[in-house]
Amino acid sequence: DAGVIQSPRHEVTEMGQEVTLRCKPISGHDYLFWYRQTMMRGLELLIYFNNNVPIDDSGMPEDRFSAKMPNASFSTLKIQPSEPRDSAVYFCASSYTLQSYNEKLFFGSGTQLSVL
Amino acid sequence: AQKITQTQPGMFVQEKEAVTLDCTYDTSDPSYGLFWYKQPSSGEMIFLIYQGSYDQQNATEGRYSLNFQKARKSANLVISASQLGDSAMYFCAMRGINAGKSTFGDGTTLTVKP
Repeated sequence: DAGVIQSPRHEVTEMGQEVTLRCKPISGHDYLFWYRQTMMRGLELLIYFNNNVPIDDSGMPEDRFSAKMPNASFSTLKIQPSEPRDSAVYFCASSYTLQSYNEKLFFGSGTQLSVL
Repeated sequence: AQKITQTQPGMFVQEKEAVTLDCTYDTSDPSYGLFWYKQPSSGEMIFLIYQGSYDQQNATEGRYSLNFQKARKSANLVISASQLGDSAMYFCAMRGINAGKSTFGDGTTLTVKP
C-alpha cells in the first residue's frame, strides 16, 4: 500500500486566497483525521471522520475552515479566506476501526502551508 | 476528556546510553491505548510502540520499551543504546474506547550527542 497520500507537499499563497489540501487515506481505513502542527500550539486535532461522516469538528478554528469526505478514498480541508496565522504543517492520518483505541494512526507526509 | 502531559521539552543523551522520556495521561475511558510517535527533522510522523490499558506486560519493540504504570497513569518511553538517528521530537498519544480521536502531548525533543 502507498500509505496516506497528501497533496500538495508545500503550498505558498497570499492572504485572502482559498487553499485546498487533499488527502487519500489507506484503503480499508475508516477513520480519517486532520491535524495542524505549529510551534506555538503543537499538534491540534481539527476534525475527524468515521466512515466518511464528520464525528468531531470542535477543533476547527473558525468558519474559514471546512472539511469534507465525499467518499472513503478522499478528503479535503479548505481554508477560505486564508490568513498568515494559518501557516502551519497540516497532517492527514487514517486508521482502522476494529477496537479503535488500539489502532495506531498512519500519517501522511504533511502539507507545509505558508500564507504571506 | 483526555489529556497527555509531557513535561520535558528537551532532553540530551550520550550516544549508546539509555534515555527515558516521560508521559503522564488522564482519561475517564475504561479502555484506552497509549502510543509513542517519532518525528525526525524531515517532518514525518513514525509510529514506535503501543501499550493497551489491559496489557499485563510492558510493550517492547526493538530498542524501544514502554514503562507502563497504570496506577500512576504514566507511560514512559525508554530508548536503549541511543543512536544519533534517534535525535527527533517524540510524541506521546492516547486513544480511548469512547472516542475515536487520538490526543497528543506537546512532545519532547531528544538530542543524541556523539
